[in-house]
Amino acid sequence: AQKITQTQPGMFVQEKEAVTLDCTYDTSDPSYGLFWYKQPSSGEMIFLIYQGSYDQQNATEGRYSLNFQKARKSANLVISASQLGDSAMYFCAMREGNSGTYKYIFGTGTRLKVLA
Amino acid sequence: DAGITQSPRHKVTETGTPVTLRCHQTENHRYMYWYRQDPGHGLRLIHYSYGVKDTDKGEVSDGYSVSRSKTEDFLLTLESATSSQTSVYFCAISEAWTLNSPLHFGNGTRLTVT
Repeated sequence: AQKITQTQPGMFVQEKEAVTLDCTYDTSDPSYGLFWYKQPSSGEMIFLIYQGSYDQQNATEGRYSLNFQKARKSANLVISASQLGDSAMYFCAMREGNSGTYKYIFGTGTRLKVLA
Repeated sequence: DAGITQSPRHKVTETGTPVTLRCHQTENHRYMYWYRQDPGHGLRLIHYSYGVKDTDKGEVSDGYSVSRSKTEDFLLTLESATSSQTSVYFCAISEAWTLNSPLHFGNGTRLTVT
């Protein structure tokens, strides 16, 4: 069964520094997609970035990039040049491609606090 | 922003009463999902739908039922609410037939069962 693990309940980072949020996953399906979401204190869920299991390159979207290590089953989110507005909960999620169930499974999240 | 409306946004109800939460989308997406969010548990899938009248269970489906009679509406029902169902409930939609389709979320419903 698919599983997502985020081992960092909370993290602090200084403004303008880079930060890495960890995500490991477990699946036996060779085809899968990994997603990161941001949830600010206002509560909405914002899609940030996607990585496919067959993608040759790490995904990037502006200041967000994914450090995808397939053999280690990790998909860590890297935020460069942190801003105060990056303070939020961050969730990693996965969907299997061949299970036929169309389920998206989430981790427990990491709360990031950016310090001025 | 994806056109997803959840109603009500807030609800307080008593133990043992039935509660229905509604999710309405204007995107004509085939796939719809109900999640609950609790501290320390992240988002957990309750039920999802892959078409009109087609639904399946998620990881925490006990005590919940769903219905989808139209593409745009997905209802979540708590037949007899319990205090353990106090949570924030999110509806999400996806095109889903391509692996890179992300979920798009509604703004959530905060349910308190007293």
